[in-house]
Amino acid sequence: DAKTTQPNSMESNEEEPVHLPCNHSTISGTDYIHWYRQLPSQGPEYVIHGLTSNVNNRMASLAIAEDRKSSTLILHRATLRDAAVYYCILREGPMNYGGSQGNLIFGKGTKLSVKP
Amino acid sequence: NAGVTQTPKFRILKIGQSMTLQCAQDMNHNYMYWYRQDPGMGLKLIYYSVGAGITDKGEVPNGYNVSRSTTEDFPLRLELAAPSQTSVYFCATTPDRNSNQPQHFGDGTRLSIL
Repeated sequence: DAKTTQPNSMESNEEEPVHLPCNHSTISGTDYIHWYRQLPSQGPEYVIHGLTSNVNNRMASLAIAEDRKSSTLILHRATLRDAAVYYCILREGPMNYGGSQGNLIFGKGTKLSVKP
Repeated sequence: NAGVTQTPKFRILKIGQSMTLQCAQDMNHNYMYWYRQDPGMGLKLIYYSVGAGITDKGEVPNGYNVSRSTTEDFPLRLELAAPSQTSVYFCATTPDRNSNQPQHFGDGTRLSIL
């Protein structure tokens, strides 16, 4: 899986939007952009993923740059429960049969703190 | 919906003891993974399985063994526990290696070796 770069930490106020950036300048055309988060003392939790177009689900939105070299996870109204480490991960496309075993390669992620 | 169930949640072992960490899933997923997470770090892959009877090493397999006799279960065995194996262990599953599929994680087993 290709490499991603994220800030070590970010702070937000409760009920305000949060924009978590991720750079992935070496992304290939078939790589999907996945986001996971890990709440304290829990396992990672899937948040959202996308390929080229912006994506929305009940948890968050994913904005993908036109050149796909960066993306932003958007939490529209942060709550205290959103305080977690957020991981941006690239997963190789299905045609790369000689590549990964489908596992996720985790960096250190961005630790998000939410203030009341 | 149980999803991915890991047992035990916590365990303390003495150096040289052995134990098996259990992972069970009810989603009929073919791919299963074992990761470990050291404090302040991301997860690292220990072993994985692409289906019953098939397992392979990941990035950090030394000191561990796995088996996959059924689709549902993927136990991780520590034969001779060492302090370096103190970590949090996570099991994960996914239907296949398709990059469009999310992975589902258990809540982890926190293991201390003294």
